[in-house]
Amino acid sequence: EVQLVESGGDLIQPGGSLRLSCAASGFTFTDYAMSWVRQAPGKGLEWVSSFSGSSDTTYYSDSVKGRFIISRDSSKNTLFLQMNSLRAEDTAIYYCAKDQFLFPANFDFWGRGTLVIVSS
Amino acid sequence: IGVTQSPVTLSVSPGETATLSCRASQGVASNIAWYQQKPGQAPSLLIFGASDRATGVPARFSGSGYGTEFTLTISSLQSEDFAVYYCQHYHYRPPYSFGQGTKLEVK
Repeated sequence: EVQLVESGGDLIQPGGSLRLSCAASGFTFTDYAMSWVRQAPGKGLEWVSSFSGSSDTTYYSDSVKGRFIISRDSSKNTLFLQMNSLRAEDTAIYYCAKDQFLFPANFDFWGRGTLVIVSS
Repeated sequence: IGVTQSPVTLSVSPGETATLSCRASQGVASNIAWYQQKPGQAPSLLIFGASDRATGVPARFSGSGYGTEFTLTISSLQSEDFAVYYCQHYHYRPPYSFGQGTKLEVK
């Protein structure tokens, strides 16, 4: 059974940093791309970043490029999102999602999410 | 590539058929997925490749379309189907985008 468990969400001041983690199990971690998708309170879904399973290539939305870094530890089946220079507009539930394929595409399994609140 | 969904809210009676639309700003071939999200829950994949049902998704859910126009049809609506639905394109390479969502509510 595929399981994705996010952690690391917190209340953080603007300009601060936070690292989210996603512990994955139930599938071969390196055989699939992995992604982060966020949802601001009462709003829709926004793709944030993806890590290709094949080439370790990373992708970012324009809204987080240069501030966020996606990475993975294959030995621990864990995906990370390092979030720097946080802004109020980064406030959201952050979902870890397993891509259906080796290359980033659509998301067939999702974690329950971790809440990040950026506020002074 | 942007993705626009319509309508924003759709009111349909149980047992009837709901038709949700998704339009891409450029051609995306069949690279469209549909997700269902219920309150307080993570989204779940319904349809990928514009028309392929994900594992465990009931046959009353069907997707169609190619290029820029896509449709999610839900027939014989059940109480558990009332939720928010999102489409997402995954054409070529990221960045990918989601539509703003359609809330399917009980009429």
